Amino acid sequence: QKEVEQNSGPLSVPEGAIASLNCTYSDRGSQSFFWYRQYSGKSPELIMSIYSNGDKEDGRFTAQLNKASQYVSLLIRDSQPSDSATYLCAVTGGGSEKLVFGKGTKLTVNP
Amino acid sequence: KAGVTQTPRYLIKTRGQQVTLSCSPISGHRSVSWYQQTPGQGLQFLFEYFSETQRNKGNFPGRFSGRQFSNSRSEMNVSTLELGDSALYLCASSLGLAEITDTQYFGPGTRLTVL
Repeated sequence: QKEVEQNSGPLSVPEGAIASLNCTYSDRGSQSFFWYRQYSGKSPELIMSIYSNGDKEDGRFTAQLNKASQYVSLLIRDSQPSDSATYLCAVTGGGSEKLVFGKGTKLTVNP
Repeated sequence: KAGVTQTPRYLIKTRGQQVTLSCSPISGHRSVSWYQQTPGQGLQFLFEYFSETQRNKGNFPGRFSGRQFSNSRSEMNVSTLELGDSALYLCASSLGLAEITDTQYFGPGTRLTVL
């Protein structure tokens, strides 16, 4: 059974700092990796997707993938209080396969 | 382009009743997946429909069922409700292509409370 593990946190960082969120997955055949952000009481919102080893940057967000180590991370630079949310890592074999989610890491950015 | 919509947003039912939730995907998306989210178990996959056929199924009892219509809209039904069915039910849509870039987008969810 495919598993996705995340540090449950909570993770607390000061405003302007870099927040680092980590995720490991069990299935070596996984091909697609996603980070979703979920504010309290809201639904998950896609932040980043990554499919190949290395870094992918989008604004203040950088996703990093290392398939050999079965590890994916999300870095948030210049963290803002509005980044305070639960971050969900999701993994799939790609295409029609289902998404498997980690339980999320709760991030708090303190002003 | 309009996002994924779900109705109703909130539901209160009693044990033993049944409930039907509805999901309209993003225009052009043919795949609809359903998830249950609870504080203890997190997000768990229920099932996926593509072109009116169930393509994937998670580990939930048969009380949970779904269907998809020709316009890609989907419904999920839970029969004989139990207290443990109280959860946020999320619908996600995607193009449904057999490509690694296929991405799911979530609706706002339906909050179900079973008393």
